[in-house]
Amino acid sequence: GNSVTQMEGPVTLSEEAFLTINCTYTATGYPSLFWYVQYPGEGLQLLLKATKADDKGSNKGFEATYRKETTSFHLEKGSVQVSDSAVYFCALTGGGFKTIFGAGTRLFVKA
Amino acid sequence: EAQVTQNPRYLITVTGKKLTVTCSQNMNHEYMSWYRQDPGLGLRQIYYSMNVEVTDKGDVPEGYKVSRKEKRNFPLILESPSPNQTSLYFCASSLAETYEQYFGPGTRLTVT
Repeated sequence: GNSVTQMEGPVTLSEEAFLTINCTYTATGYPSLFWYVQYPGEGLQLLLKATKADDKGSNKGFEATYRKETTSFHLEKGSVQVSDSAVYFCALTGGGFKTIFGAGTRLFVKA
Repeated sequence: EAQVTQNPRYLITVTGKKLTVTCSQNMNHEYMSWYRQDPGLGLRQIYYSMNVEVTDKGDVPEGYKVSRKEKRNFPLILESPSPNQTSLYFCASSLAETYEQYFGPGTRLTVT
């Protein structure tokens, strides 16, 4: 079956540091890939998505590229802020509306 | 305001007492889904629905039931809750074309 593996957290960075959160997947067919973010005490919000190989999703300074050859969808941001502190989830949706989430990566950004 | 609502937000109950968690969306989305979130496991899909009267199992459907009689509503039913169903539950909806999911605020369920 499909699966998503994310790097374990927590990840602690200083403000303005470069962020990478690794995500790899296994899937049959051609799923859509997503990053969602969860702020403390809230539900998840869509951060960005990509629907086919080599697509780059981007939003709020975050980027991720759908790499079919390495089955990866790593999340990057050039300069993080304290307000980016949250839990980040990688997910894939395919085969109808079947969705698989990674375990989540908690990010702490220090001022 | 476009939103997904869930009720109740918090619920403490006892083993075996049937309960229903409601979910409603006002965005005319075709797809709806229920997830449970447990520490270290991320979100796991319980059931999803692609249209009225069309539902399918996710990865962890045991002990849960759902129904989709109207497009906007997708209740989650626990016929006989057990302590291992203590979790944080999220409902989500999406347009069929995008798969972009909008999440409700969550329901924290404790079964004693």
